[in-house]
Amino acid sequence: DQQVKQNSPSLSVQEGRISILNCDYTNSMFDYFLWYKKYPAEGPTFLISISSIKDKNEDGRFTVFLNKSAKHLSLHIVPSQPGDSAVYFCAGLQGAQKLVFGQGTRLTINP
Amino acid sequence: DVKVTQSSRYLVKRTGEKVFLECVQDMDHENMFWYRQDPGLGLRLIYFSYDVKMKEKGDIPEGYSVSREKKERFSLILESASTNQTSMYLCASSFARVLRVQPQHFGDGTRLSIL
Repeated sequence: DQQVKQNSPSLSVQEGRISILNCDYTNSMFDYFLWYKKYPAEGPTFLISISSIKDKNEDGRFTVFLNKSAKHLSLHIVPSQPGDSAVYFCAGLQGAQKLVFGQGTRLTINP
Repeated sequence: DVKVTQSSRYLVKRTGEKVFLECVQDMDHENMFWYRQDPGLGLRLIYFSYDVKMKEKGDIPEGYSVSREKKERFSLILESASTNQTSMYLCASSFARVLRVQPQHFGDGTRLSIL
């Protein structure tokens, strides 16, 4: 029972264009969502988050959108850079401490 | 900068062995977590701890136990290793009980192979 789903295992985008990574969830109790980025041979690093009382949060090139009625969130990266090539995980916060992660999407930025 | 250190990057063990994975954080974080990462499944929570000697089961605790005798150290124990426990294991820590205050910080992982 996958409560958080990232249905695209991989995504390829040209440098300078927009990257859009999608995430769907089924648990209505999630009230906070986070995106993590992971390079090979390193642990995930926190990227951006959003509370369920908001529909958008922006941090530099990264924007996360939340559509609660559709139980969908997306991460936009504009403009995409080669250093953005990584695996991206979305996660929902369950209770005070427990993160539930999606399967991850491998983003490749092509020069 | 937060530092979460996992004692081994790579580990090879045999079926039936008792395996210890160690994790240390240097930021006086209260919360510590153990995950495993498998292709197509993402990160799944095994156990977490929000204080010394406290532990709670995550989503996949079967076959694992944990120990937290000191605040900075959180150990994952495979009681009798099996081949289906071959995976990447990630340790994380966070400062506050309410995660939204500060996100979890991860170590670089231990790739464990059980032969």
